[in-house]
Amino acid sequence: KAGVTQTPRYLIKTRGQQVTLSCSPISGHRSVSWYQQTPGQGLQFLFEYFSETQRNKGNFPGRFSGRQFSNSRSEMNVSTLELGDSALYLCASSLVGTGQNGYTFGSGTRLTVV
Amino acid sequence: AQKVTQAQTEISVVEKEDVTLDCVYETRDTTYYLFWYKQPPSGELVFLIRRNSFDEQNEISGRYSWNFQKSTSSFNFTITASQVVDSAVYFCALSETFSSNTGKLIFGQGTTLQVKP
Repeated sequence: KAGVTQTPRYLIKTRGQQVTLSCSPISGHRSVSWYQQTPGQGLQFLFEYFSETQRNKGNFPGRFSGRQFSNSRSEMNVSTLELGDSALYLCASSLVGTGQNGYTFGSGTRLTVV
Repeated sequence: AQKVTQAQTEISVVEKEDVTLDCVYETRDTTYYLFWYKQPPSGELVFLIRRNSFDEQNEISGRYSWNFQKSTSSFNFTITASQVVDSAVYFCALSETFSSNTGKLIFGQGTTLQVKP
């Protein structure tokens, strides 16, 4: 059973650019959640998608957006990058997005904004 | 308010020592789930254990054991006879069942465990 795949593994972008990160969940899982991890703020919830709909959203500016496709793969986009967006971005795959089913994480995408 | 607190920022032990990682949580929900994850330097969050709020039975799995106490809102994790490979950051997390909190884990700040040979 394949795990959660996040691409790319590393990214370096310049301030003002935009970036798209991808997450392929475990086959059969319909929920994908995204998290930002920084040394100062720790692990913070960005948003969750279930069956192509954003079902839950964290406290992040509108520059952070996402979407989910019919095959449950999800992308997140950050526009007008700022230095503070440098972080490890993790996605979590879940059957239906509840604690009962648990969450499996990918290896993350490490984004550096210069 | 939902919150997870891991008061220990860093712990350093010598190999073969036992070590306990503390976790205290706050929630208004009556049904919730608690998790422990391990994050090695590679960055991936590795699932260790999940407990629901109705299951206070403590568990031992190999060198790992967990102590869940609803009365004190604590969910502590113990590694017995620690090994160098246990060196990582450990996160405690809370998942509530409110419909507005689907798909969301609330994490503590993490405890960095260093096991020295």
